[in-house]
Amino acid sequence: RKEVEQDPGPFNVPEGATVAFNCTYSNSASQSFFWYRQDCRKEPKLLMSVYSSGNEDGRFTAQLNRASQYISLLIRDSKLSDSATYLCVVKGGYQKVTFGTGTKLQVIP
Amino acid sequence: GAVVSQHPSWVICKSGTSVKIECRSLDFQATTMFWYRQFPKQSLMLMATSNEGSKATYEQGVEKDKFLINHASLTLSTLTVTSAHPEDSSFYICSARAKRKETQYFGPGTRLLVL
Repeated sequence: RKEVEQDPGPFNVPEGATVAFNCTYSNSASQSFFWYRQDCRKEPKLLMSVYSSGNEDGRFTAQLNRASQYISLLIRDSKLSDSATYLCVVKGGYQKVTFGTGTKLQVIP
Repeated sequence: GAVVSQHPSWVICKSGTSVKIECRSLDFQATTMFWYRQFPKQSLMLMATSNEGSKATYEQGVEKDKFLINHASLTLSTLTVTSAHPEDSSFYICSARAKRKETQYFGPGTRLLVL
């Protein structure tokens, strides 16, 4: 089993739609969780950290479920500019950071 | 947010040559820098972690004699791909993290094409 798993997609959604991605992780001792966004042929950029209580930043909501070992990202009112690959990142012991393979989102006009 | 630069952004070289990539944190001190490689349609793969002033820690399967990493200062790390071959062609991305901080800030990446 991979350390961090994501559905590669692509998720094709119309503008204005709500879309959610999940990411599962195998190491129960993982400490920190993040969502990064990567545009085609560019470097990843931090979208948001994921806190145990869940957190929201504008149209983006991130949740953590430690019992089931997954994190989620919800995007409301999708914009064309949200089209990108969303990377789930998990930090474990010894500062080790593992990236998921990413979920590709395509928002369609 | 913090700024990390990489140079060069593009490299095309002949097989057998060595290529040096620089990674700089421009507005913060990066006690830890990471080097990743990303092949097309694949995820970032960590190659090595370097702490300023000490030897880099390489991930399993990454040849330390082929990918030389130097982190001589709190703002600069270099990756040298020695005797590059076509299979080394990839997107190399560095990231930097400040002391006692969790967030990694990524450089814009370097595309290496070995002919």
